Amino acid sequence: AQRVTQPEKLLSVFKGAPVELKCNYSYSGSPELFWYVQYSRQRLQLLLRHISRESIKGFTADLNKGETSFHLKKPFAQEEDSAMYYCALSGDSGNTPLVFGKGTRLSVIA
Amino acid sequence: DTGVSQNPRHKITKRGQNVTFRCDPISEHNRLYWYRQTLGQGPEFLTYFQNEAQLEKSRLLSDRFSAERPKGSFSTLEIQRTEQGDSAMYLCASSPGTHSYEQYFGPGTRLTVT
Repeated sequence: AQRVTQPEKLLSVFKGAPVELKCNYSYSGSPELFWYVQYSRQRLQLLLRHISRESIKGFTADLNKGETSFHLKKPFAQEEDSAMYYCALSGDSGNTPLVFGKGTRLSVIA
Repeated sequence: DTGVSQNPRHKITKRGQNVTFRCDPISEHNRLYWYRQTLGQGPEFLTYFQNEAQLEKSRLLSDRFSAERPKGSFSTLEIQRTEQGDSAMYLCASSPGTHSYEQYFGPGTRLTVT
């Protein structure tokens, strides 16, 4: 069964501190992994996907197939990073319905 | 193009009533997805379309739910005989369907069943 686990409901860090949002997945195949973000009063939007290996807004995420993880990291948190973050996976083609985790709320304290 | 739009944004209905939501995807996006999100949960997949063809329905989609995309453009999601457990945010997303894995989400329709 496809499953995405985000163990932390809430993560609070101080501005300038490193951030790591955890994501583990279960999938029998080669999934595509994504991080979506929802800022206050905005719609859900794609932050980054593992296939593109990009760094967006200073965030990076590395797919670790051995540990079935796709943790989101940023070396120095900013107040504008405060938002709800969802890890999601898609099937082998990457163009199929997303399976989301429950989300982690990141709060960056000034 | 202002992105994916959904109407209405909020709907309050009494238990047992029927409701219909509309989603207008980004122009020329072939794929259209419906998700449901309840408090404290991530979005959960309901159904999706490739053009006008409904390709998959989740087990979450009971017989009271029906979705259509008659001309491969906008889509409607109807819930018949609403129950309090149907109260949720209903999200629509669209994607180009080829060479892009990004799904673009609408603002959602919040349904409250009293």
